[in-house]
Amino acid sequence: EVQLVESGGGLVQPGRSLRLSCAASGFTFDDYAMHWVRQAPGKGLEWVSGISWNSGSIGYADSVKGRFTISRDNAKNSLYLQMNSLRAEDTALYYCAKEMIWPPVFDYWGQGTLVTVSS
Amino acid sequence: EIVMTQSPATLSVSPGERATLSCRASQSVSSNLAWYQQKPGQAPRLLIYGASTRATGIPARFSGSGSGTEFTLTISSLQSEDFAVYYCQQYNNWPSSTFGQGTKVEIK
Repeated sequence: EVQLVESGGGLVQPGRSLRLSCAASGFTFDDYAMHWVRQAPGKGLEWVSGISWNSGSIGYADSVKGRFTISRDNAKNSLYLQMNSLRAEDTALYYCAKEMIWPPVFDYWGQGTLVTVSS
Repeated sequence: EIVMTQSPATLSVSPGERATLSCRASQSVSSNLAWYQQKPGQAPRLLIYGASTRATGIPARFSGSGSGTEFTLTISSLQSEDFAVYYCQQYNNWPSSTFGQGTKVEIK
């Protein structure tokens, strides 16, 4: 059974940093690209970042480019999101999502970890 | 950035009726379009990819159509479990992706 479990969320002051983690199990992690998607309270889905199976291709939404860094450790079956210079508008539930081999859509999602940016 | 626009924002439908949801892309995304369903307190669930292919385990009452910039998700006969928010997603320029703002399907 595929499982994605996010952690690392919490309350953080504007301008500070936070690192999210996603522990994956139930599939061969290093065969698949992975993504982070967020959802502000009461709002829609926003794609944040994606990373290929070997970290060779990485992309970011314009809203987080230069502040967030996605990475993965295939030996640990883990995905990460380093979030720096956090802003109030980064407050959201952050989901980890597994991509299908093809097409590149998200067939499994975690339950999310909540990040609240507030002073 | 490709902008996805969904309409209507809210759709009020009676159980057993047909629901038609629209999604428009600001530029062509070919058939690189997916639909997701999200219920309160749950993660999204993949329904449709490639504009018209149902994901594993998705009932036949869900169907997708369209290509280029205009797409439609149709639920042929709404069941109680189908009342939810639906999002379209384009994946035409990997790894980047964008979602529409969502359509809430509510009980009339």
